[in-house]
Amino acid sequence: GNSVTQMEGPVTLSEEAFLTINCTYTATGYPSLFWYVQYPGEGLQLLLKATKADDKGSNKGFEATYRKETTSFHLEKGSVQVSDSAVYFCALMGTGGFKTIFGAGTRLFVKA
Amino acid sequence: GAGVSQSPRYKVAKRGQDVALRCDPISGHVSLFWYQQALGQGPEFLTYFQNEAQLDKSGLPSDRFFAERPEGSVSTLKIQRTQQEDSAVYLCASSIGQPSSYEQYFGPGTRLTVT
Repeated sequence: GNSVTQMEGPVTLSEEAFLTINCTYTATGYPSLFWYVQYPGEGLQLLLKATKADDKGSNKGFEATYRKETTSFHLEKGSVQVSDSAVYFCALMGTGGFKTIFGAGTRLFVKA
Repeated sequence: GAGVSQSPRYKVAKRGQDVALRCDPISGHVSLFWYQQALGQGPEFLTYFQNEAQLDKSGLPSDRFFAERPEGSVSTLKIQRTQQEDSAVYLCASSIGQPSSYEQYFGPGTRLTVT
């Protein structure tokens, strides 16, 4: 079945550091891929998405590219801020389906 | 406008009790999802509604779990004879259209603790 694996946290970075959170997936067909973020005390919200191979999703300085050849959707940001401290979830939705499969989440701490 | 709301926000139930969790989606949203999130884990899909039709209930862990959305708006997730392993945060999400094309908006969740 479909699955998502993302790097374990926590990840601790200093402000302005480069961020990468790895995500790989297993799925048949051509799933849609997502990154969701959960800020402290808030609900899950969509950060970015990509619906086909080689698409790049971007939002708030974060980017992720849908790589079918490596079945990956790594999240990157060039310069993190303290306000980026949150839990990040990689997720996929299978072709023609409704079920969204989430990874276990990666907690990011950014120090001033 | 208002987002997705869920009630109650916290529920403590004794093992064996029945509970009902409510979700009010964003007005006009066709799609509605329920997820279960255990501590330190990602959300796990439970069920999906398109309007009042339950199109996928493959994630419901047992026949003690039942969800309904009779008028295509508010939804209720019912858990009968609660067990300790049911302790989790239950998340509801809604989407304006087909889920693969449109963003899911999540509610704050109901934290269920079974003692």
